[in-house]
Amino acid sequence: AQKVTQAQTEISVVEKEDVTLDCVYETRDTTYYLFWYKQPPSGELVFLIRRNSFDEQNEISGRYSWNFQKSTSSFNFTITASQVVDSAVYFCALYLNQAGTALIFGKGTTLSVSS
Amino acid sequence: DTGVSQNPRHKITKRGQNVTFRCDPISEHNRLYWYRQTLGQGPEFLTYFQNEAQLEKSRLLSDRFSAERPKGSFSTLEIQRTEQGDSAMYLCASSLERQDQPQHFGDGTRLSIL
Repeated sequence: AQKVTQAQTEISVVEKEDVTLDCVYETRDTTYYLFWYKQPPSGELVFLIRRNSFDEQNEISGRYSWNFQKSTSSFNFTITASQVVDSAVYFCALYLNQAGTALIFGKGTTLSVSS
Repeated sequence: DTGVSQNPRHKITKRGQNVTFRCDPISEHNRLYWYRQTLGQGPEFLTYFQNEAQLEKSRLLSDRFSAERPKGSFSTLEIQRTEQGDSAMYLCASSLERQDQPQHFGDGTRLSIL
């Protein structure tokens, strides 16, 4: 069965703290893609990053970084020096390499950053 | 570059009424998805189009739900005889045909059933 687990329901931090959002996925497929999306209070899901199952290189984009480890089936997301504008719900999602298969989302982690 | 557009943003209706939502995808995207999101949950897949062909439906899509994508452009999602349990955010997404391409989402239509 395919599944994405985001065990952290809510996280609260103070500005400038670093925060890591956990994502664990399950699939028997060998080819798949992992995504992170951000959903601010306005509601629109904003694409952040895509990773394919053959690329375990970590990635950094500004204050954001992602750590993909196939050995533990995890794709964790770290925000460095968090800001109030980072407050949102963050979703991890799995996409299988079958034609037309939709994204399988986790339940999301609500991040609240206070000043 | 316009993104995915959905309307209306909000819809309030009485139980038993029919409702229709519209989604305009990014113009060059030939794949279009509908998802439903309830409070505290991630989006759940409803149905998917490649051009005008509806290629996949979730078991969540009861016979009261129907979706169309005439001419492979905009799409509509209709819910007939609405029920309380249909209250949710309905999200539309579009993407290019390549498997690794991200889906880009609209702002969603929030449906409230009285």
